[in-house]
Amino acid sequence: DGGITQSPKYLFRKEGQNVTLSCEQNLNHDAMYWYRQDPGQGLRLIYYSQIVNDFQKGDIAEGYSVSREKKESFPLTVTSAQKNPTAFYLCASRTVNSPLHFGNGTRLTVT
Amino acid sequence: SQQGEEDPQALSIQEGENATMNCSYKTSINNLQWYRQNSGRGLVHLILIRSNEREKHSGRLRVTLDTSKKSSSLLITASRAADTASYFCAEYSGGGADGLTFGKGTHLIIQP
Repeated sequence: DGGITQSPKYLFRKEGQNVTLSCEQNLNHDAMYWYRQDPGQGLRLIYYSQIVNDFQKGDIAEGYSVSREKKESFPLTVTSAQKNPTAFYLCASRTVNSPLHFGNGTRLTVT
Repeated sequence: SQQGEEDPQALSIQEGENATMNCSYKTSINNLQWYRQNSGRGLVHLILIRSNEREKHSGRLRVTLDTSKKSSSLLITASRAADTASYFCAEYSGGGADGLTFGKGTHLIIQP
């Protein structure tokens, strides 16, 4: 079955540490996205990538970084510069003119 | 980009009743999409309505779109306990690749 896999499901880190969230898709989609979701809130776009080796900042990119070395993979690094990193992170992908397909998210807790 | 707004924020109904959720959006859209999110999971796409459409059906779902009022509604008929979830509308204005602008969602609880 095609889909998007995010790992790990839960992640705990100490403040000041960088952490990388994994997102892999086998849907052959060109575009991939990272969203952040806080309790009771909608999704806010962090970064997106339309094609390999290219990505763009979303609305809340500060404190985050991404790479897109392969079509299937779009990892997100939450750096120590992100002031409030504790959140639910969702990765998504889509092809042209299609809805988003989402992974099941990674819940990051930073203490 | 600014978020749209869903109304109500939360809704609790009895199983078998109909549930209606509303969404107001900000931009001139290419299409508007509705998604469902079960607790602790990713979003699942439900239905997409294009700007030149006024109503669309999919099973027990009915979506309407009023572009003059920049609003959309999602109706779930004959609700079931499994419909308990959060429902989000997302506006897509086209012309770019920055994804969708999501509202804050309506949390729907179906009481058995």
